[in-house]
Amino acid sequence: EAGVAQSPRYKIIEKRQSVAFWCNPISGHATLYWYQQILGQGPKLLIQFQNNGVVDDSQLPKDRFSAERLKGVDSTLKIQPAKLEDSAVYLCASSLARLGQQYGYTFGSGTRLTVV
Amino acid sequence: AQKITQTQPGMFVQEKEAVTLDCTYDTSDPSYGLFWYKQPSSGEMIFLIYQGSYDQQNATEGRYSLNFQKARKSANLVISASQLGDSAMYFCAMREDSNYQLIWGAGTKLIIKP
Repeated sequence: EAGVAQSPRYKIIEKRQSVAFWCNPISGHATLYWYQQILGQGPKLLIQFQNNGVVDDSQLPKDRFSAERLKGVDSTLKIQPAKLEDSAVYLCASSLARLGQQYGYTFGSGTRLTVV
Repeated sequence: AQKITQTQPGMFVQEKEAVTLDCTYDTSDPSYGLFWYKQPSSGEMIFLIYQGSYDQQNATEGRYSLNFQKARKSANLVISASQLGDSAMYFCAMREDSNYQLIWGAGTKLIIKP
């Protein structure tokens, strides 16, 4: 089974520029999550999708971050404009259903964003 | 209030020794799951082991076992016969079945010494 695919792997941008990340979850996984992980900390949930609907985006800074999951499959996360404090690893994860299965959540390799 | 607490920011362990990574949690939800993940320096988050709140026995997966003490709300990870490749960050996480989100601890950096 193919894993969760994310791209790009690394991205360096200047502050105030925009950036987009892409995630393709495991086939058949209804739930998709975007996490932000700042160096030295645990991941923080930004947004959770169930199919193509948003379940929770309470921690998404909506003035600059947006995400979509058209057709309930792959997803994009955008930051516009970026700030220095957005430097982090952005992890995408997927799971079979809202009822997290015994094997939990499968993560992609992440996108390491550096804002200079 | 912190829902997941990992009190060990870092640990050094000699190769081949067993190591216990601590995790305590706080929830009023009767149905929940506890997870341990490994994150090497390359950044990917690797699932290690899962324990459901209603599971009667402690979970085991190869060299990993979970010491689940429900009354104490602790879910410590035990790695037997540690290897150099075990050096990584280890995260404890909890999913409350009322909202299906993973709540993460701050992590423990484990370094295995040869």
